[in-house]
Amino acid sequence: DGGITQSPKYLFRKEGQNVTLSCEQNLNHDAMYWYRQDPGQGLRLIYYSQIVNDFQKGDIAEGYSVSREKKESFPLTVTSAQKNPTAFYLCASSIARTDTQYFGPGTRLTVL
Amino acid sequence: DQQVKQNSPSLSVQEGRISILNCDYTNSMFDYFLWYKKYPAEGPTFLISISSIKDKNEDGRFTVFLNKSAKHLSLHIVPSQPGDSAVYFCAASAHYGQNFVFGPGTRLSVLP
Repeated sequence: DGGITQSPKYLFRKEGQNVTLSCEQNLNHDAMYWYRQDPGQGLRLIYYSQIVNDFQKGDIAEGYSVSREKKESFPLTVTSAQKNPTAFYLCASSIARTDTQYFGPGTRLTVL
Repeated sequence: DQQVKQNSPSLSVQEGRISILNCDYTNSMFDYFLWYKKYPAEGPTFLISISSIKDKNEDGRFTVFLNKSAKHLSLHIVPSQPGDSAVYFCAASAHYGQNFVFGPGTRLSVLP
């Protein structure tokens, strides 16, 4: 069953702690993305990767880091430098950068 | 400056009638457009796309119309069903390599 998985669905962390969100896909897609959604707003791009071992900053990369060591995996770390980390985080993938993106179910991160 | 706008934050429609969701864009280089549907606490689901070489694309109850001169696209859902109640996002990209830009979304409520 092909798709994109994100875990966990809900995540709680104390202020000042780093936290890593998981994203895995078995669609054999080259490109992967991380977005953030805040209430009443659209999706804002945090980071994207077009190929293994390469990634680029999106519009709101400050306070986040990523890695792309495997084609299937694109974990996102929310660092303590991110000023407003509480949000709904969405991972997506596509065959190539300009193709239709398919999304995972999302992770809701709450920083207490 | 928002490159993709969805000026109606919400829309209510009676079951069985037509739903029309609108999207405007400012970047004349955009040539590929997507519509996504999103339920609360879930990832967006791809609905339908349209390339700038077409002015209409149809898939079942969903039809997307593109007016390039007006930089406007719309999604028509006929007939509307209660299960269509969700937030709808419009997204646009330019095939020269720009990432997709998402609109802020329109919340559709289909009333029984």
